[in-house]
Amino acid sequence: EAQVTQNPRYLITVTGKKLTVTCSQNMNHEYMSWYRQDPGLGLRQIYYSMNVEVTDKGDVPEGYKVSRKEKRNFPLILESPSPNQTSLYFCASILQGEETQYFGPGTRLLVL
Amino acid sequence: GNSVTQMEGPVTLSEEAFLTINCTYTATGYPSLFWYVQYPGEGLQLLLKATKADDKGSNKGFEATYRKETTSFHLEKGSVQVSDSAVYFCALVPGGYNKLIFGAGTRLAVHP
Repeated sequence: EAQVTQNPRYLITVTGKKLTVTCSQNMNHEYMSWYRQDPGLGLRQIYYSMNVEVTDKGDVPEGYKVSRKEKRNFPLILESPSPNQTSLYFCASILQGEETQYFGPGTRLLVL
Repeated sequence: GNSVTQMEGPVTLSEEAFLTINCTYTATGYPSLFWYVQYPGEGLQLLLKATKADDKGSNKGFEATYRKETTSFHLEKGSVQVSDSAVYFCALVPGGYNKLIFGAGTRLAVHP
């Protein structure tokens, strides 16, 4: 089954404790992206990757890092989480040349 | 710049009522337009899309027509069901890019 998976689905952590949210897709898509969803703001892009070893900032990259060492994986790293990063995070992937993005189930993060 | 504006929710309807969720956009070039739906506790799913002016996207009884003259992509359904209760996001992809730009989302609640 074609899908995008994220782990963990729920996470409670404390300020400053490094964390990683994993994202994996099994569709051989080149393009992957991270979004955060906040009430009244919709989804905003954090980082994206056009292919392996190619990443770039989206609209709200501050406080986040990403890496793309393999085509299928695109982890989101919070080196020193802060309460303003409490949000719902979605990973998405897309086949180059297509326009429909496939979304993971989301990771709900609470930073205390 | 590129942006999407949706009507604020929540929208509350009785079963079998007619639904309209307004969406207007600002974009350079010729964007593709999308409606995504987020059911409670789930990720986003593509509901329908339209890639050029006057195209009509349709799925599951929902329809939206790409109106370039009014820069709109309103979502409609003739008879809503309780199972349609969800958050609906209007989005665009600027021509030549893979980035989705979302509206703030509209929550729909349908009561029996």
